[in-house]
Amino acid sequence: AQKVTQAQTEISVVEKEDVTLDCVYETRDTTYYLFWYKQPPSGELVFLIRRNSFDEQNEISGRYSWNFQKSTSSFNFTITASQVVDSAVYFCALSASGSARQLTFGSGTQLTVLP
Amino acid sequence: DGGITQSPKYLFRKEGQNVTLSCEQNLNHDAMYWYRQDPGQGLRLIYYSQIVNDFQKGDIAEGYSVSREKKESFPLTVTSAQKNPTAFYLCASSGRVQNTGELFFGEGSRLTVL
Repeated sequence: AQKVTQAQTEISVVEKEDVTLDCVYETRDTTYYLFWYKQPPSGELVFLIRRNSFDEQNEISGRYSWNFQKSTSSFNFTITASQVVDSAVYFCALSASGSARQLTFGSGTQLTVLP
Repeated sequence: DGGITQSPKYLFRKEGQNVTLSCEQNLNHDAMYWYRQDPGQGLRLIYYSQIVNDFQKGDIAEGYSVSREKKESFPLTVTSAQKNPTAFYLCASSGRVQNTGELFFGEGSRLTVL
């Protein structure tokens, strides 16, 4: 069985602060894929990143960065210089095969960025 | 623009009634999915379909039914057998070749049972 834990239920920051969203996962598979999705108030989830278990390089995309550490089974997401538009629920997810059929989502972190 | 359209956005139902949620996509994707989202919980898979005229149960299929008569459409029926149907329902799709967990979602349908 696989499991994704997002211990932070809600986070509030003031605009321009940096914020890190934690994600810890459990799986017995040696090959797996990790994902982050953003759910803005409009409701639809938006894909942000996919990372496979063989690639531990950190990734940066604009103000977003991801830190993947197999040793601690974590895949944390950092937003630098947060903006009000970053306010959303963020989901971390795991799939052993990479297939959407086997996607396990965490419970999500509600991020509120205050002006 | 390509995307997924769900309707209605809000729906109220009396206990004992069936209700059908619509999901249409123009992304030419083979695979489509229905998820349920409850407050403070992650998404849970109800049903999925990899191809027209074929669909499979997900983790919480009891009390739900689907059909896939056209590639573009994947309606979900919440039946009276579903004991706790009040929830937010999300439809998603993915291309077969790109089926690496990257999903495209609609804006959801919020069902409330009165």
